[in-house]
Amino acid sequence: EFVLTQSPGTLSLSLGERATLSCRVSQSINSIYLAWYQQKPGQAPRLLINGASNRATGIPDRFSGSGSGTDFTLTINGLEPEDSAVYYCQQYASSVSYTFGQGTMLEIK
Amino acid sequence: QVPLQGSGPGLVKPSETLSLTCTVSGGSISRHYWGWVRQAPGKGLEWIGYMFFTGRTKYSPSLESRLTISVDMSKNQFSLKLRSLTPADTAVYYCMGIPVGDVYGWFDPWGPGTLVTVSS
Repeated sequence: EFVLTQSPGTLSLSLGERATLSCRVSQSINSIYLAWYQQKPGQAPRLLINGASNRATGIPDRFSGSGSGTDFTLTINGLEPEDSAVYYCQQYASSVSYTFGQGTMLEIK
Repeated sequence: QVPLQGSGPGLVKPSETLSLTCTVSGGSISRHYWGWVRQAPGKGLEWIGYMFFTGRTKYSPSLESRLTISVDMSKNQFSLKLRSLTPADTAVYYCMGIPVGDVYGWFDPWGPGTLVTVSS
């Protein structure tokens, strides 16, 4: 099974700053099999990125994804208040099971 | 965007079967795989499984022995049945779609979620 480990667990940044969120996969995967989601309290997750770097429809270009192999990054430039949320990475490379990371909570000061 | 709306009981007794249904609006049911993700209170996301309208399924190995996902094209609905419930199955259950393509596996769209509590 692919285990995804996200870091940091919590990130506290100010308005306008840049957030860098990490997702490490236990085995190397093709980057086309990595997605990122944003989840706000009381809401369903929302797809941000698929294929490691492809923004989903309607996602601002402040959000970008990168990475390959076992290390992937979600970068959010120019933080805004509405970016406060939990962010999850997900792999869909496995033929057996899809798995998520444990999440990174982003707080905007 | 293809809106999804889930429905089902909020409270189920231990050892019973959970039945949830999700209705697909505004799009063809044949353009997505349809499935479920759950989230225990205060915890992260857990993928449950999916089904394509052709009958092809993929289930989480940890739930496979208790799980059935089905699709009803005539009603534009898909359903989850999870048997032999325990309190550990208490969670918000999200219905979701996986767009069909050469590469697939990301979840979009999502339904709003149904809180299911397993308790006597």
